[in-house]
Amino acid sequence: EDKVVQSPLSLVVHEGDTVTLNCSYEVTNFRSLLWYKQEKKAPTFLFMLTSSGIEKKSGRLSSILDKKELFSILNITATQTGDSAVYLCAIRYSGGGADGLTFGKGTHLIIQP
Amino acid sequence: DTGVSQDPRHKITKRGQNVTFRCDPISEHNRLYWYRQTLGQGPEFLTYFQNEAQLEKSRLLSDRFSAERPKGSFSTLEIQRTEQGDSAMYLCASSLAEGGDTQYFGPGTRLTVL
Repeated sequence: EDKVVQSPLSLVVHEGDTVTLNCSYEVTNFRSLLWYKQEKKAPTFLFMLTSSGIEKKSGRLSSILDKKELFSILNITATQTGDSAVYLCAIRYSGGGADGLTFGKGTHLIIQP
Repeated sequence: DTGVSQDPRHKITKRGQNVTFRCDPISEHNRLYWYRQTLGQGPEFLTYFQNEAQLEKSRLLSDRFSAERPKGSFSTLEIQRTEQGDSAMYLCASSLAEGGDTQYFGPGTRLTVL
């Protein structure tokens, strides 16, 4: 079963719109949730979230985690064409011997001019 | 450039051949991870090292896959007897051991098996 589920899988909006990307997870021994942006290359780090209710911001991007409901959202305001990318959500959890990140399938965001 | 580097960036091989990829992590990072990414999917964790110790390898896809980090610096990922299903992007990431949840990724090696 998928431990990390992202929605929507794809999204097309116009420049200037605000978008909200969703990530839900289902693991025990949660440690952290990370957001990455992936264009036609390697994922680049955006945010790491470990505590509920504390918003992280970087320019027009922000993210928040709800550990009770097991989800996170990534908001992008005043979108620009350069925001077009796949946005990946990943979790790190203890147990099972693995220490890598478990990724969702990503949300493919397209910003139209 | 002090980020994670990978070599080669692209590799085309014939089925049955062995391939080896190299990853150089960020210099002060002692954790190194390998992932595989196929089209339309997020990266899939394969294995990781802390210094030269391989702490997790149960996620390697088959016994044809192996990884080394002999001196705790660069790492290699080898795939023996490649199959067409091995075609994918192979990503390397590194992090600090302390508070090392933030992993920084290299540009990847795209493998095509004909």
